[in-house]
Amino acid sequence: EVQLVESGGGLVQPGGSLRLSCVASGFTFSNYAMSWVRQAPGKGLEWVSGFTTAGDTTRYADSVKGRFTISRDNSKNTLYLQMHSLRDEDTAVYYCAKVRETGYSNFDYWGHGTLVTVSS
Amino acid sequence: DIQMTQSPSTLSASIGDRVTITCRASQSISSWLAWYQQKPGKAPKLLIYKASSLESGVPSRFSGSGSGTEFTLTISSLQPDDFATYYCQQYLSYSLTFGGGTKVEIK
Repeated sequence: EVQLVESGGGLVQPGGSLRLSCVASGFTFSNYAMSWVRQAPGKGLEWVSGFTTAGDTTRYADSVKGRFTISRDNSKNTLYLQMHSLRDEDTAVYYCAKVRETGYSNFDYWGHGTLVTVSS
Repeated sequence: DIQMTQSPSTLSASIGDRVTITCRASQSISSWLAWYQQKPGKAPKLLIYKASSLESGVPSRFSGSGSGTEFTLTISSLQPDDFATYYCQQYLSYSLTFGGGTKVEIK
């Protein structure tokens, strides 16, 4: 059974940093591209960052470019999102998501999400 | 970035109704469109990919159609479990973008 379990969320002050983790199981993690998608309270879904393939090519939304860094450790089946210079508008539930098929970025499995609250 | 516009934003319907949700892309995305269902406090669930392909395990009352810039998600006979918010997503190019969502409510 595919499982994605996020952690690392919490309350952080504006300008602060946080690192999110997503531990994957139930599939060959290294074979799949992964992304982070967020959802602000009461709002819609926003793609944040992702690997475009199972390799090293990464992409970022303009809203987080230069502040967030996505990475992965295939030996630990773990996806990361390092977030710096956090702003109020980064407050959201952050989901990690697995692509359904390599090369096509629609997502067949999602984690339960981890809440990031940016507030003073 | 490719903008995705869904309509309506809210839809009131009764059990057994046929429901149609529209998603428009700001430029052609061929068939690179997915539909998701999300219930409160839960992660999104993939329903449809490549505009019209039904994800495994999804009831056949869900169907998708369209190509280019106009797409529809249809629920042929609305069931109690279908009251939720639905999102479209284009995956032709990065940044990946979602529609604003359509909330299906009980009439």
